[in-house]
Amino acid sequence: EAQVTQNPRYLITVTGKKLTVTCSQNMNHEYMSWYRQDPGLGLRQIYYSMNVEVTDKGDVPEGYKVSRKEKRNFPLILESPSPNQTSLYFCASSLQGYGSYEQYFGPGTRLTVT
Amino acid sequence: LAKTTQPISMDSYEGQEVNITCSHNNIATNDYITWYQQFPSQGPRFIIQGYKTKVTNEVASLFIPADRKSSTLSLPRVSLSDTAVYYCLVGEPMDSNYQLIWGAGTKLIIKP
Repeated sequence: EAQVTQNPRYLITVTGKKLTVTCSQNMNHEYMSWYRQDPGLGLRQIYYSMNVEVTDKGDVPEGYKVSRKEKRNFPLILESPSPNQTSLYFCASSLQGYGSYEQYFGPGTRLTVT
Repeated sequence: LAKTTQPISMDSYEGQEVNITCSHNNIATNDYITWYQQFPSQGPRFIIQGYKTKVTNEVASLFIPADRKSSTLSLPRVSLSDTAVYYCLVGEPMDSNYQLIWGAGTKLIIKP
């Protein structure tokens, strides 16, 4: 089954404790992206990757890191989480990044930073 | 940085046709317009995509005028299960890189 998976689905952590949210897709998509969603703000892009070893900042990259060492995986790293990073996070992938934007989304990761 | 603009919310009734319009003044020449549907606690789901004129699939139609500065998602004969947030997505050129700009979403409530 074609899908985007994220882990963990739920995470409660404390300020400053490094964490990684994994994202994997099995569709051989070139483009992958991370979003955060907060009430009243819609989806805001954190980072995106057009292909392996190519990553770029989105709207709200501060406090986040990403890497794209393999085509299928795009982990999101919070080196020192803070309470303002409490949010619902979505990973997404699409066949390509330009023009056509049919993205497939993961189920989401709800992160709480205390 | 240009943004997309959608109504914040809309109400309708079962069996009616619903039209949601999105404005996107700075759409790039090669970009497509895409609409997504999102239910609570789920990731957005692709509905339809188009470049110009009209596109229709089994769940919706998308109308795009010649200047492409807006688009209208049309949902025929809605049901209660169509209650969701609908997002309009277009590409946005920034320098030499393209950045995706999501609209704030339209919360559609379907009443019996």
